[in-house]
Amino acid sequence: DIQLTQSPLSLSASVGDTVTISCQASRDISKFLSWYQLKPGKAPSLLIYDSSTLETGVPSRFSGSRSGTDFTLIISSLQPEDFATYYCQQYDNFPLTFGQGTRLESK
Amino acid sequence: QVQLQQWGAGLLKPSETLSLTCGVIGGSVTGYQWGWIRQSPGKGLEWIGEVNHAGGVNSNPSLKSRVTISIDTSKKQFSLRLQSVTAADMAVYYCARGVRIRVGEESVHDHWGQGTLVTVSS
Repeated sequence: DIQLTQSPLSLSASVGDTVTISCQASRDISKFLSWYQLKPGKAPSLLIYDSSTLETGVPSRFSGSRSGTDFTLIISSLQPEDFATYYCQQYDNFPLTFGQGTRLESK
Repeated sequence: QVQLQQWGAGLLKPSETLSLTCGVIGGSVTGYQWGWIRQSPGKGLEWIGEVNHAGGVNSNPSLKSRVTISIDTSKKQFSLRLQSVTAADMAVYYCARGVRIRVGEESVHDHWGQGTLVTVSS
């Protein structure tokens, strides 16, 4: 199975900050990585796919990038609604796998 | 706008069978993968498996022997059965629509249900 290692696992930030979440794949997955946002009691939402393509309707303060097997999610100018848990997922191979999640909390 | 509405028993005893169903509202079941994903406190998100409109199934080898995923296209519903549950199966279970961006690739999940908390306790 492809392992995805996310860092940090938790993060404290303030409204207006820019935060960076990393996801490293255990082997080459090309660009086949997506990012999700999870909030308690709500349906999770897809933010980014193909490493850097923004899903329709997702604010442009979210961006993604790839360098080899290292992937990054950047949230610029944090808004109150962005405090949540973020997961990366690879879809290069079965079984589909996720990172451990990064919990973004308000400082 | 597609919505996924899921339901099923939330409290099980050890060795019982978990049974969840997800209804697809406002969209077609054709051309997509219909999946199940769970989130347990200590393990994050885990992909359980998926079914397509023709009944073709892919599932996680770690659960494969206990998992049955099926679809009823006439009702636009798909279901998950997980046999012989233990405390390790306690989690929030989500249904999700899988989209294959290009032919030959696997799925990203663009619509999700709200989740069902499943507790296993004697």
